[in-house]
Amino acid sequence: DSGVTQTPKHLITATGQRVTLRCSPRSGDLSVYWYQQSLDQGLQFLIQYYNGEERAKGNILERFSAQQFPDLHSELNLSSLELGDSALYFCASSEGQGVSYEQYFGPGTRLTVT
Amino acid sequence: AQTVTQSQPEMSVQEAETVTLSCTYDTSESDYYLFWYKQPPSRQMILVIRQEAYKQQNATENRFSVNFQKAAKSFSLKISDSQLGDAAMYFCAYRSDPSGTYKYIFGTGTRLKVLA
Repeated sequence: DSGVTQTPKHLITATGQRVTLRCSPRSGDLSVYWYQQSLDQGLQFLIQYYNGEERAKGNILERFSAQQFPDLHSELNLSSLELGDSALYFCASSEGQGVSYEQYFGPGTRLTVT
Repeated sequence: AQTVTQSQPEMSVQEAETVTLSCTYDTSESDYYLFWYKQPPSRQMILVIRQEAYKQQNATENRFSVNFQKAAKSFSLKISDSQLGDAAMYFCAYRSDPSGTYKYIFGTGTRLKVLA
């Protein structure tokens, strides 16, 4: 158990809909990262927040947005969902914002868009 | 742009034997970090080993070790005394922070099968 929690574990929704994925980082960690893993693919970095502020942006679609709240939990919002958005979405957290900090991964949320 | 390539989609190893997983990367940066992650069927991402580019000594964690060749941009993972529990997808990852623009890049993975 990494100490990072993600809810829900599974989510099934229809095309065109909007969903929110939630992540609670490990106690004391200030950075939160979101990754997308499509079927049998590597992880694609989406976005990083550090202490409430956006810190880095990767291949995140405009239909996707995220935020980190004062209690440090984070939410990833996916809208106008398409079939291709079906994937495993991971949240990770680290103590600091730099690339040297170890990232601890949550169990992931599996999103299925039908 | 930085890339990470894992050219072996699948590898097999006999239990108790040694296997090496390959990873090459392309970068013009001099300061970066390399990682190997394990993803078992549970899908949990587990850090196996990490290597700082500025360190010449190869990292080792118990049965796992790396062969880091900076000039060749190669970062292979050696698993010794393979165990059934080592069966998983293994991902090579690259991280850098040139001038505050963080980069986190994963390879496409190698599926390791361990034969009893």
